Amino acid sequence: EAGVAQSPRYKIIEKRQSVAFWCNPISGHATLYWYQQILGQGPKLLIQFQNNGVVDDSQLPKDRFSAERLKGVDSTLKIQPAKLEDSAVYLCASSLGGIQSYEQYFGPGTRLTVT
Amino acid sequence: AQSVTQPDIHITVSEGASLELRCNYSYGATPYLFWYVQSPGQGLQLLLKYFSGDTLVQGIKGFEAEFKRSQSSFNLRKPSVHWSDAAEYFCAVGGRNTDKLIFGTGTRLQVFP
Repeated sequence: EAGVAQSPRYKIIEKRQSVAFWCNPISGHATLYWYQQILGQGPKLLIQFQNNGVVDDSQLPKDRFSAERLKGVDSTLKIQPAKLEDSAVYLCASSLGGIQSYEQYFGPGTRLTVT
Repeated sequence: AQSVTQPDIHITVSEGASLELRCNYSYGATPYLFWYVQSPGQGLQLLLKYFSGDTLVQGIKGFEAEFKRSQSSFNLRKPSVHWSDAAEYFCAVGGRNTDKLIFGTGTRLQVFP
C-alpha cells in the first residue's frame, strides 16, 4: 500500500512570496490533517478535513494560510504571503476516520525555509 | 490546559543499553496516549498506543510503554537499544471524543556503538 505522498520535499522562498504544498493521502482514508512542525517543537495541527469538509481549522492563521481538499482526496495548503516565522516542516497525515483516526499515517513532510 | 511534557530534549545511550524516555501529560478527561518515532527526513510512525485496559502496552520494534495514572506519565522503554533506534520520539495525548492529538516537543535519541 502506498503511503502518504507530499511535494515538494523542500522549498526556499523569500518573505512575502507565496507557496503551495500538495498532499496525496492513502487511498480510502477519509480524514486528512495538515501539521506545522517548527524546529525543536512537536507537530501542531493546522487543519483537519473529513472527506472534503473542514472539521477543525482553529489553529490555522486564516489571514495568510488556506487549505482545500478537492473531491475529498488530494489536498493543497497555501501560504500567502509568507513570513519568516512560517519556516517549518509541514506534515500531512491521513487516517480512516472515526476511532481509527488515532492511526494517523504521516507523509515525509515539506521543509519550508523563508528568507 | 491540555499538554504533553517530554523533559529530556536529548538522550545519548550506548548500543545494547536499556532506554527510558519520559512523558508527562495534562488532560482533563480520560487520556488516550501515543508514542511516535520520526527518523531524519521521514514522517512520524506510530510505535504504540494506550486507550484502556492493561497499563503496559507493547509496540513495534521492541518498544513498550507503561501508563501510570497517579503520575500522569506514559514512559517509553526498550530493554536493549539498537543503532537504528536513533531518531526523535514524540509522545502525544488525545481523548475519547476527539481525534485531535497534542504532541510533546520530542526527545532526540542518539545511540553510540
